[in-house]
Amino acid sequence: AQTVTQSQPEMSVQEAETVTLSCTYDTSESDYYLFWYKQPPSRQMILVIRQEAYKQQNATENRFSVNFQKAAKSFSLKISDSQLGDAAMYFCAYGTIYGGATNKLIFGTGTLLAVQP
Amino acid sequence: KAGVTQTPRYLIKTRGQQVTLSCSPISGHRSVSWYQQTPGQGLQFLFEYFSETQRNKGNFPGRFSGRQFSNSRSEMNVSTLELGDSALYLCASSGGPAAAFFGQGTRLTVV
Repeated sequence: AQTVTQSQPEMSVQEAETVTLSCTYDTSESDYYLFWYKQPPSRQMILVIRQEAYKQQNATENRFSVNFQKAAKSFSLKISDSQLGDAAMYFCAYGTIYGGATNKLIFGTGTLLAVQP
Repeated sequence: KAGVTQTPRYLIKTRGQQVTLSCSPISGHRSVSWYQQTPGQGLQFLFEYFSETQRNKGNFPGRFSGRQFSNSRSEMNVSTLELGDSALYLCASSGGPAAAFFGQGTRLTVV
């Protein structure tokens, strides 16, 4: 069975600084996706960034980037130039693929990110 | 494109009652999955439907069931509600392997 571990329950960063959130996972599959989702107090789960296991190049979305280490089963999220709006709970998720869709997500326990002005 | 729509947003039920939650996926998406979020257990996978067929099921009792209609809309039903079923129920829609997009959730409170 797949598992996802986030070892940092809470993190804090100063506005405009950079922060890295850690995530490790375990799987015996070769084809999967990894995701970072953000959940602000509004509860909406928002997709931040995704990485396909077969792609060696790390994904980047504006200020968000990942460091994907497949052999180490590590998938960290780096937020550059942190903004007040980045404050939220961040979840790392492992996605199983079946029939051409992400049919199941396994989530870590989350990291609560605070951004200090 | 409209996002994933979940109704209702809030619900209060009494122990022993049953409840039905609804999820309308993004247009064109055929996969709908459901998750339960609680402070104690975190986010847990309930089940996934694709083209009206349940393809995957999490480790929940039989009181939790679902279905999907031909227009891909999905419903989740919980019978004989227990206090422990109080949670945020999230629905996600997927049109491909690269992402699952979530609705705003239904906050269920069982009293």
